[in-house]
Amino acid sequence: QPQLEESGPGLVKPSETLSLTCTVSGDSIGSSKYYWNWIRQSPEKGLEWIGTVHHSGNTIYNPSLDSRVTLSVDSSKNQLSLSLRSVTAADTAMYYCARGVRYWGQGTLVTVSS
Amino acid sequence: DIQMTQSPSSLSASVGDRVTITCRASQDINNYLAWLQQKPGKAPKCLIYSASTLHDGVPSKFSGSGSGTDFTLTINSLQPEDFASYYCQQYKSYPHTFGQGTKLDI
Repeated sequence: QPQLEESGPGLVKPSETLSLTCTVSGDSIGSSKYYWNWIRQSPEKGLEWIGTVHHSGNTIYNPSLDSRVTLSVDSSKNQLSLSLRSVTAADTAMYYCARGVRYWGQGTLVTVSS
Repeated sequence: DIQMTQSPSSLSASVGDRVTITCRASQDINNYLAWLQQKPGKAPKCLIYSASTLHDGVPSKFSGSGSGTDFTLTINSLQPEDFASYYCQQYKSYPHTFGQGTKLDI
């Protein structure tokens, strides 16, 4: 079964770009039939789906974040990436990557603060 | 967006009890529903997908049922490790959406 591990800076300044990586083991993203999801969780909003990416390049974003988010895949490194621009305090959350709905990473906490 | 409504929001039970949590979708999602368990400070874990299929390694004390708009998660013979928060998630259409959660405590 796949294992996923999120990583990235725990603190981001307002108006800057949040960049996270999800490293996958136990599955090859480049040959996987699965879609990969990013989800975040905060006390204020609960669980919120950010978007979905496939190694083919197909992406689908939550309309609430569409203008600020980019998801991508690096098959050579077996990694997923998330980029969220112009962050505010409302983007403070635990960020998770997941394969479909069944396999989740342990999450990484991102705080937006100056 | 499809709204997912869970009930109850919180539930108190005792070791050995059987409990049922319900989830209602604002429109038909067929069986594209997952149930997640989350313990404090931990990531959500999938218990059930496709409304009624147990995820790998999940004990059979957990069961899911339903289709369309109404779904239930049943937990038999509660043990101390089962006291956690539970969420439903629909993945029939984008954006995927989650219920607000049910906190199960002793």
